[in-house]
Amino acid sequence: AQSVTQLGSHVSVSEGALVLLRCNYSSSVPPYLFWYVQYPNQGLQLLLKYTSAATLVKGINGFEAEFKKSETSFHLTKPSAHMSDAAEYFCAVSDPGVYAGGTSYGKLTFGQGTILTVHP
Amino acid sequence: KAGVTQTPRYLIKTRGQQVTLSCSPISGHRSVSWYQQTPGQGLQFLFEYFSETQRNKGNFPGRFSGRQFSNSRSEMNVSTLELGDSALYLCASSLKSLRGRDPNSPLHFGNGTRLTVT
Repeated sequence: AQSVTQLGSHVSVSEGALVLLRCNYSSSVPPYLFWYVQYPNQGLQLLLKYTSAATLVKGINGFEAEFKKSETSFHLTKPSAHMSDAAEYFCAVSDPGVYAGGTSYGKLTFGQGTILTVHP
Repeated sequence: KAGVTQTPRYLIKTRGQQVTLSCSPISGHRSVSWYQQTPGQGLQFLFEYFSETQRNKGNFPGRFSGRQFSNSRSEMNVSTLELGDSALYLCASSLKSLRGRDPNSPLHFGNGTRLTVT
């Protein structure tokens, strides 16, 4: 079974500082990895996805993540934090399910989330 | 293009009652998945539907059920509600849920239904 560990349930940075949110995964198959962001009282918004095409993935809002197979990591970074980045961030790994007709990919296994606080 | 629509946004029910939540996927998306989000357990997968058939199921009791209609809209039902069922229920749709990986079809989430059981 796939699993995801996010190191640090809370991360606090100053506006303009580097943002680093850590994610380690465990997967029995070549992983498909995602980062989602959740603002209060909203659903999850996709930030970026790793699809094996490139190890450095660029997403929306200036975020990027680097896939490191040797470290089983997929850390999320942003060079300069903005107040609007304050939210909860979730790392997720695709957790395929096998059924009679084939394989389904609608299940993601999520990490516990990291709340990012940005100080002025 | 409209996003994933979940109704209602908020629900208050009492223990023992049942509830039905609705989800309309993005137009053209045929796969719908449901998740439960709680502060203690985080995001947990409930089930996934494609072409009106359940393709995958999480580790939840039989009180949790779902279905998908021919237009890809989906409903989930929780019977005999318990206090612990209080949660944000999220629906997500994707373009495919098929044989062969399609990494260009990530899950797109709705804003959820906040269920409170008293």
